[in-house]
Amino acid sequence: SAVISQKPSRDICQRGTSLTIQCQVDSQVTMMFWYRQQPGQSLTLIATANQGSEATYESGFVIDKFPISRPNLTFSTLTVSNMSPEDSSIYLCSALPAGQTYEQYFGPGTRLTVT
Amino acid sequence: QQQVKQSPQSLIVQKGGISIINCAYENTAFDYFPWYQQFPGKGPALLIAIRPDVSEKKEGRFTISFNKSAKQFSLHIMDSQPGDSATYFCAASPSNSGYSTLTFGKGTMLLVSP
Repeated sequence: SAVISQKPSRDICQRGTSLTIQCQVDSQVTMMFWYRQQPGQSLTLIATANQGSEATYESGFVIDKFPISRPNLTFSTLTVSNMSPEDSSIYLCSALPAGQTYEQYFGPGTRLTVT
Repeated sequence: QQQVKQSPQSLIVQKGGISIINCAYENTAFDYFPWYQQFPGKGPALLIAIRPDVSEKKEGRFTISFNKSAKQFSLHIMDSQPGDSATYFCAASPSNSGYSTLTFGKGTMLLVSP
């Protein structure tokens, strides 16, 4: 398994600003992912964070809005840019531990409110 | 992403009863089916998962039943306890991605009454 931490745990931001969310895993992982969970809703994959290369984005998500970095095997950041109230969500980081193909583990999430 | 349909949206079960949550999928390339449990303010936690080479998998009070021909799978929680009250998500992933790319159902909010 993997223990995943995220910072900040929550934030309230003004529209038009940007927020960077950090994700740290306690062990080496092969893949890292970012999801969005809108209030009371399911999880939607934003992108796969690739180490040393550009993230792979899902349909409906673009790099200019959600730039992602992954400088090493255990750390990734997601930035929510030029925020609007529609970006109010929980943002979750997940990871696939090294040696595993399917078992994703999730961080506690970052609850973002945009006013 | 292909859809995974989950039902019911919410469920109330008495303590000691059986909770049953159902999911159906369309993409025949899906070959990994996990269930996640999420408590308020927490991230989803992997509960149990199944591959289509078996029709049932049991871990403690939690059982997944899988029907490949019907493209359906379900979670059964035996002897449900108040501590099981949470939101449950089914998910599915195809093997052709080389790694897990999960498509989630919409979730079921389970309340186990004392």
